[in-house]
Amino acid sequence: GQNIDQPTEMTATEGAIVQINCTYQTSGFNGLFWYQQHAGEAPTFLSYNVLDGLEEKGRFSSFLSRSKGYSYLLLKELQMKDSASYLCAVRDGDYKLSFGAGTTVTVRA
Amino acid sequence: ETGVTQTPRHLVMGMTNKKSLKCEQHLGHNAMYWYKQSAKKPLELMFVYNFKEQTENNSVPSRFSPECPNSSHLFLHLHTLQPEDSALYLCASSQEAGGSEKLFFGSGTQLSVL
Repeated sequence: GQNIDQPTEMTATEGAIVQINCTYQTSGFNGLFWYQQHAGEAPTFLSYNVLDGLEEKGRFSSFLSRSKGYSYLLLKELQMKDSASYLCAVRDGDYKLSFGAGTTVTVRA
Repeated sequence: ETGVTQTPRHLVMGMTNKKSLKCEQHLGHNAMYWYKQSAKKPLELMFVYNFKEQTENNSVPSRFSPECPNSSHLFLHLHTLQPEDSALYLCASSQEAGGSEKLFFGSGTQLSVL
């Protein structure tokens, strides 16, 4: 099966920056997704990387290095509403999608 | 609002009960999915339907029975469940299965089996 690792929990202060790392080992690669999931709500799409480099979307950025099997999600200017679980998901060579266990981010005032 | 609606939001059932989870998507997608989300564990894919045909059953026990009458609706029929089946069950949809499209998720049904 696929192996996707991300930290379980992270805590940061309002206004700060937090970087959530995701490492993966898959048979082939067809893209990496980040989803945000607030407690009791649906996971919602944040970003998609299929080529190496940084994709920026407002306060959120996602980076991918295919050779290292590594991605990170960068959250800047943290707000209280950013407290949520962040899920890393990878599509393998057969387009099968596998998820990490998620990183719970707590933003403190 | 993601365009994917799941009912009920919460369900408590005994091991001998029979219940059904419902999912409806208003996005015009052709693929629908059932995932199981347990605390601190990765989302587990259960079933995939593409153009109403089941294309994947991820070794799910027969006490879970999916039904997809059309591309907009997906059901998960439950019977004789076990306490370890307690989890959040998420429905998702995408334009098609097997591609690179992102998934749109419902808010899930929180299931407790007593």
